[in-house]
Amino acid sequence: EVQLLESGGGLVQPGGSLRLSCAASGFTFSSYAMSWVRQAPGKGLEWVSSISGSGGGIYYADSVKGRFTLSRDNSKNTLYLQMNSLRAEDTAVYYCAKQARYCSGGSCNYFYGMDVWGQGTTVTVSS
Amino acid sequence: DIQMTQSPSSLSASVGDRVTITCRASQGIANYLAWYQQKPGKVPKLLISAASTLQSGVPSRFSGSGSGTDFTLTISSLQPEDVATYYCQKYDSASSLTFGGGTKVEIK
Repeated sequence: EVQLLESGGGLVQPGGSLRLSCAASGFTFSSYAMSWVRQAPGKGLEWVSSISGSGGGIYYADSVKGRFTLSRDNSKNTLYLQMNSLRAEDTAVYYCAKQARYCSGGSCNYFYGMDVWGQGTTVTVSS
Repeated sequence: DIQMTQSPSSLSASVGDRVTITCRASQGIANYLAWYQQKPGKVPKLLISAASTLQSGVPSRFSGSGSGTDFTLTISSLQPEDVATYYCQKYDSASSLTFGGGTKVEIK
């Protein structure tokens, strides 16, 4: 069974740091791009960051660029999100998601929608 | 950056009604569009990729259409279990996987 399990959330003061982890199982982790999506209380979904299967391509939303760092350890089947300089507006449930891929005619799209989601980990930034 | 605008933001319909949700991109994104369903208190679920390709296991009453800037998600016959918030998401560029603001669907 394909599973994603996030951890590392918690309560942190403004300006503080947290590292989120996402442990993957049930699929060949290194073959798939991965993403983080967050959802503030009562709000919609917001894409945060994505990384290619090899880790060579990393992308960030403008709202977190320069403060968050995404990485992956394919030997441990784990995705990480290092969050620094946290702000109140970063308060949200953070979901880890596996990107679907679609290959046709010798080319592949590695960001073909997010087909597996973790249960989420809650980050609260407050003094 | 390309913006994704959904309408309406909420709707209320009767069981059996045909429901249509619209998603508009501020620039063309070909068919690089996904739709998600998020039931209350649950994790989002991918319904449709490539604007119209239904994911395995998704009921056939759901369908998607569109290309370029205008897309629709249709529920042909609304069921009680379809109460959820629906989101569109563009994926034409890995550097900007923007979601729409969501459409909350309720039963009248």
